[in-house]
Amino acid sequence: AQTVTQSQPEMSVQEAETVTLSCTYDTSESDYYLFWYKQPPSRQMILVIRQEAYKQQNATENRFSVNFQKAAKSFSLKISDSQLGDAAMYFCAPSAYGGATNKLIFGTGTLLAVQP
Amino acid sequence: DAMVIQNPRYQVTQFGKPVTLSCSQTLNHNVMYWYQQKSSQAPKLLFHYYDKDFNNEADTPDNFQSRRPNTSFCFLDIRSPGLGDTAMYLCATRGWGADTQYFGPGTRLTVL
Repeated sequence: AQTVTQSQPEMSVQEAETVTLSCTYDTSESDYYLFWYKQPPSRQMILVIRQEAYKQQNATENRFSVNFQKAAKSFSLKISDSQLGDAAMYFCAPSAYGGATNKLIFGTGTLLAVQP
Repeated sequence: DAMVIQNPRYQVTQFGKPVTLSCSQTLNHNVMYWYQQKSSQAPKLLFHYYDKDFNNEADTPDNFQSRRPNTSFCFLDIRSPGLGDTAMYLCATRGWGADTQYFGPGTRLTVL
């Protein structure tokens, strides 16, 4: 079974600074996807960034980027130029590739506070 | 905009009184998921539909049922809610061949 560990229950960052959220996972799958979702206080889960495990190049979406280390099963999220709107709970979630389920296994989350 | 809609956003029910939560989507996705998220916890998958094929997670209580009358709609029925069923219920969809799930805003259920 897949397990996902987010070792930082809470993080804080100053506005305009950079913060990195860590995630490690365990999977027996050879092909899979990895996602970071954010959940603001409104509680809607929003996709931040996705990474295909077979791609070596790290994904980037504007101020968000990942450091994907497949051998180490590590998938950290870097937020540059942090903004107040980035304050949210962040979940790391791997998903098996293909098949009917593509079930997401969520980590326990990291609550990010952004200080003005 | 195409989206995933959940109704109601907030639901209060009494212990043992059946309740139905609704999810609809305009994305024409063939996979729909229901997750339960208790306070300060990660979402946990209850079940999903691949088209009309229903797939239950092994540890989903029998108290939870689901219906999908057509592509657009999916319902979560809780036959006899207990206090422990107080949670946020999230609906998500995914297109065939795609990898990303798109979530609705959730229904916050309180069982008194």
